[in-house]
Amino acid sequence: GAVVSQHPSWVICKSGTSVKIECRSLDFQATTMFWYRQFPKQSLMLMATSNEGSKATYEQGVEKDKFLINHASLTLSTLTVTSAHPEDSSFYICSASAGQGFSYTFGSGTRLTVV
Amino acid sequence: AQRVTQPEKLLSVFKGAPVELKCNYSYSGSPELFWYVQYSRQRLQLLLRHISRESIKGFTADLNKGETSFHLKKPFAQEEDSAMYYCALSGQGAQKLVFGQGTRLTINP
Repeated sequence: GAVVSQHPSWVICKSGTSVKIECRSLDFQATTMFWYRQFPKQSLMLMATSNEGSKATYEQGVEKDKFLINHASLTLSTLTVTSAHPEDSSFYICSASAGQGFSYTFGSGTRLTVV
Repeated sequence: AQRVTQPEKLLSVFKGAPVELKCNYSYSGSPELFWYVQYSRQRLQLLLRHISRESIKGFTADLNKGETSFHLKKPFAQEEDSAMYYCALSGQGAQKLVFGQGTRLTINP
């Protein structure tokens, strides 16, 4: 079945630094990747949708300059949290799809803690 | 706009009892509905999608366009069904998947 690998699984960084999270589709070509944020005991909130080779589409209220998304290939998307602050601490989850009509496969998530 | 509502944050039933997790949606076009499950310390997994009309692990869900619902049902709950369940909707062409708030299902022995 389709597998999505997300790294790192957890990261601690200092306030003001940037953190990059990778999301890879291992056995399929992901034309579309999605990035979600999940606060404790809450649901997944969609942050942005990225199509390979195009600029990401951000959801309302999500700062595109703070959460940089790159989808340079059909198997890799990255989310960079720039100038991280403690309020950015959260669980970030990526999802990938081979296109309309295909299932969405989720990564295992990245727990970011900003100290 | 796409919206998914799961009215119950917590649901607790006894083993062997029927289970129904409610999901209502709002979408002006033809939606595609999903149920995802997240077991403890595991990633989200697709449980079923309405276009497949499958029964997975004894769970079924029927899309009711009149009531804009996609409730998840199982006639006899098992302890291993304890997990977090999310209902999700994808709009036509838009592809993005929007989630409900989730329901934590606990099956008591």
